[in-house]
Amino acid sequence: AQRVTQPEKLLSVFKGAPVELKCNYSYSGSPELFWYVQYSRQRLQLLLRHISRESIKGFTADLNKGETSFHLKKPFAQEEDSAMYYCALRTGGFKTIFGAGTRLFVKA
Amino acid sequence: GAVVSQHPSWVICKSGTSVKIECRSLDFQATTMFWYRQFPKQSLMLMATSNEGSKATYEQGVEKDKFLINHASLTLSTLTVTSAHPEDSSFYICSASGGGGQANQPQHFGDGTRLSIL
Repeated sequence: AQRVTQPEKLLSVFKGAPVELKCNYSYSGSPELFWYVQYSRQRLQLLLRHISRESIKGFTADLNKGETSFHLKKPFAQEEDSAMYYCALRTGGFKTIFGAGTRLFVKA
Repeated sequence: GAVVSQHPSWVICKSGTSVKIECRSLDFQATTMFWYRQFPKQSLMLMATSNEGSKATYEQGVEKDKFLINHASLTLSTLTVTSAHPEDSSFYICSASGGGGQANQPQHFGDGTRLSIL
């Protein structure tokens, strides 16, 4: 079955602390993984995707096929990073499945 | 670039009414559009995938006669909730993906439509 699991509904960290938002997936094919972010009162937007191997706003995510994970990391969290983060898996039919989301709250 | 416009943003109507939601890609051609439903404090649930000029592909459990999807052009897809009832009240979000060779095309999301059925 195709599934995306984000085990934490809420993650609260202090400003300047490292942050890791966990994402695990289940898919028998070759996965294409994304992280989307939704800031307060804004639309959902793409943060990064695994094929780009890029760092956006200080965030990185590495696809670990052995552990079927795609955790999102940032070494030093900022208050403006507070948002809802969704991990997503796109399958061969271009259908995208979203995880339940993790709300990140960065405290001053 | 890559802006998706969704209209209306909020609609309130009586039970039994049919409601049409539009999703437009403003600056790119969207060969594929997706319709999602989001319940409060829950994730996005894919309802259907629509490809321009062909019938939509509905996810299991989604009534195609209830949720009519039309993707008549490369910039417009519509979702019509027919004979809406209070249980259809939800937040509906569309997204669009465009360009040839879609493997590398991310989805761009609209702002969503909040549907409230009285």
